[in-house]
Amino acid sequence: DADVTQTPRNRITKTGKRIMLECSQTKGHDRMYWYRQDPGLGLRLIYYSFDVKDINKGEISDGYSVSRQAQAKFSLSLESAIPNQTALYFCATSDERGVTDTQYFGPGTRLTVL
Amino acid sequence: GESVGLHLPTLSVQEGDNSIINCAYSNSASDYFIWYKQESGKGPQFIIDIRSNMDKRQGQRVTVLLNKTVKHLSLQIAATQPGDSAVYFCAENGYSGGSNYKLTFGKGTLLTVNP
Repeated sequence: DADVTQTPRNRITKTGKRIMLECSQTKGHDRMYWYRQDPGLGLRLIYYSFDVKDINKGEISDGYSVSRQAQAKFSLSLESAIPNQTALYFCATSDERGVTDTQYFGPGTRLTVL
Repeated sequence: GESVGLHLPTLSVQEGDNSIINCAYSNSASDYFIWYKQESGKGPQFIIDIRSNMDKRQGQRVTVLLNKTVKHLSLQIAATQPGDSAVYFCAENGYSGGSNYKLTFGKGTLLTVNP
């Protein structure tokens, strides 16, 4: 979905390197999310942000950090990448609608850590 | 703990047939459910949603059924087409404290449409 963009789309790196994945959105949504997708494990939430000053850990935040630079930008960092962080990473956004909080996803970043 | 799961990991149908993808959930307090479609190399795409005060909702060629008694959700695709081949995820929006809700995803069902 062009409303949510992610860069890079593919990245190969080595163990121990610092990596940043970036997400931008033009949907005007306040809420942004980072997920990780592994085969057989579905989507797992890493971090989420309900506005620029709000950052929350998800279920698998260890080894990751995030920065909400603006309403439209939310970046995910791996301070020291390790091979088991090889996965597909998705950014998502949503409106603040309480129970009907539909999330819209970016195209994903495929990260390989050697 | 809470979980959202799928009965079948794969489903293969013939083009033109109807498809039914099932999902079981365990959080009886969940108020909102969503189906997503994920094509190869793309992010999940919203298909259809349903509130817990409804038992059926229809879209274009898709219908979602909700059975709260047995905590079961299904996605029906009419006249399945090759372009429907994808992984389908159900997700539930459950209360996570304050005014916030958390989206929990199932592991997905791979739908393959044979010509």
